[in-house]
Amino acid sequence: AQKVTQAQTEISVVEKEDVTLDCVYETRDTTYYLFWYKQPPSGELVFLIRRNSFDEQNEISGRYSWNFQKSTSSFNFTITASQVVDSAVYFCALSRDDKIIFGKGTRLHILP
Amino acid sequence: GAVVSQHPSRVICKSGTSVKIECRSLDFQATTMFWYRQFPKKSLMLMATSNEGSKATYEQGVEKDKFLINHASLTLSTLTVTSAHPEDSSFYICSARDYGGRGYGYTFGSGTRLTVV
Repeated sequence: AQKVTQAQTEISVVEKEDVTLDCVYETRDTTYYLFWYKQPPSGELVFLIRRNSFDEQNEISGRYSWNFQKSTSSFNFTITASQVVDSAVYFCALSRDDKIIFGKGTRLHILP
Repeated sequence: GAVVSQHPSRVICKSGTSVKIECRSLDFQATTMFWYRQFPKKSLMLMATSNEGSKATYEQGVEKDKFLINHASLTLSTLTVTSAHPEDSSFYICSARDYGGRGYGYTFGSGTRLTVV
């Protein structure tokens, strides 16, 4: 079965704290892509990152970083020094047969 | 590049009427588009895959007669919610398969919030 699990339904942290959003996936494919998207209250999906299954190198983009570990089928997302503007729902997703399958999302509240 | 325009952004319709939602790729050709549905505070559920010039492929449990999808050109896919009822109220998002765009393969529209009264 192809599946994405985001066990954290909702997280609240105080501004400037670091926060990690967990993502665990299941797939039988050897080649696949993993994604993270941000969905602010307005509803549109904001693309954050795509990772190829053959590339386990971690990535950092400003305050955002991603940790991809095939051994544990995890693709976790960390926001450093969080800001109120980071408040949103974050979705981890997996490509399957040319489609994107989304996890249930983690609602992140950054408190001022 | 790689922009997808979805229209309308918000629509309210009466129960029993039909509503059409358009998804356009503005600066690339999209042979494949996807339609998702999102209930409040829930995840995005894939409804169907539309391929230009052929019939859409629906996911299990999605009523093809209720949700009509047409992909008549390389830049336009439409979703028509027929005989809408309040339970069809939801947020609908389209996605176009793009190669080399900023979405790295998938570009999403901004969504349509449908309210059936």
